[in-house]
Amino acid sequence: AQKVTQAQTEISVVEKEDVTLDCVYETRDTTYYLFWYKQPPSGELVFLIRRNSFDEQNEISGRYSWNFQKSTSSFNFTITASQVVDSAVYFCALSEAGSWGKLQFGAGTQVVVTP
Amino acid sequence: DTAVSQTPKYLVTQMGNDKSIKCEQNLGHDTMYWYKQDSKKFLKIMFSYNNKELIINETVPNRFSPKSPDKAHLNLHINSLELGDSAVYFCASSPSGQGISNQPQHFGDGTRLSIL
Repeated sequence: AQKVTQAQTEISVVEKEDVTLDCVYETRDTTYYLFWYKQPPSGELVFLIRRNSFDEQNEISGRYSWNFQKSTSSFNFTITASQVVDSAVYFCALSEAGSWGKLQFGAGTQVVVTP
Repeated sequence: DTAVSQTPKYLVTQMGNDKSIKCEQNLGHDTMYWYKQDSKKFLKIMFSYNNKELIINETVPNRFSPKSPDKAHLNLHINSLELGDSAVYFCASSPSGQGISNQPQHFGDGTRLSIL
């Protein structure tokens, strides 16, 4: 069963618009870790953020922000004032404690930012 | 200096052939991984080694065999290639430990395998 669901297959926005990517996860573990990775058209996977299950503080890094809510098992990602360089596939991933770092990825959301 | 490097970047070959993909990391990490990304971009773990020991072995055909000569290298050998093996294969590494599931993995640039 899919443990990480990214329901949005593709989101298209015009530059400077905000875009929010949804991520819903499923786990029975009390300790787990959530990640977001970016895959630009060039194909590499770039780590963006890690969040521990016991730390529900939201985080902001420049134009990126993350909203972690355990009550709804969600870890959403917002890009503020999007730019063309933000065009990429974004993956949410879950790693459960004791899994040797096994990443379980969502299906990814393609973000297309047009000028 | 590239942290996780994979060779080759592109691999085009015919059905039935045997091929290998090499991965090396210079980060001093103890744990390395192989992931497969299919044509729909879905990423799935295949194998993981910790200090040359196999620790994750997902449901993967026996034609796929990982080999880790030392903790800085994890190679992937594929026998009798099939059309369905066409994908991008990513190598990754992270610091060691069963309890270190929180460490971000560093990925190589991927190897695009195309089977004719």
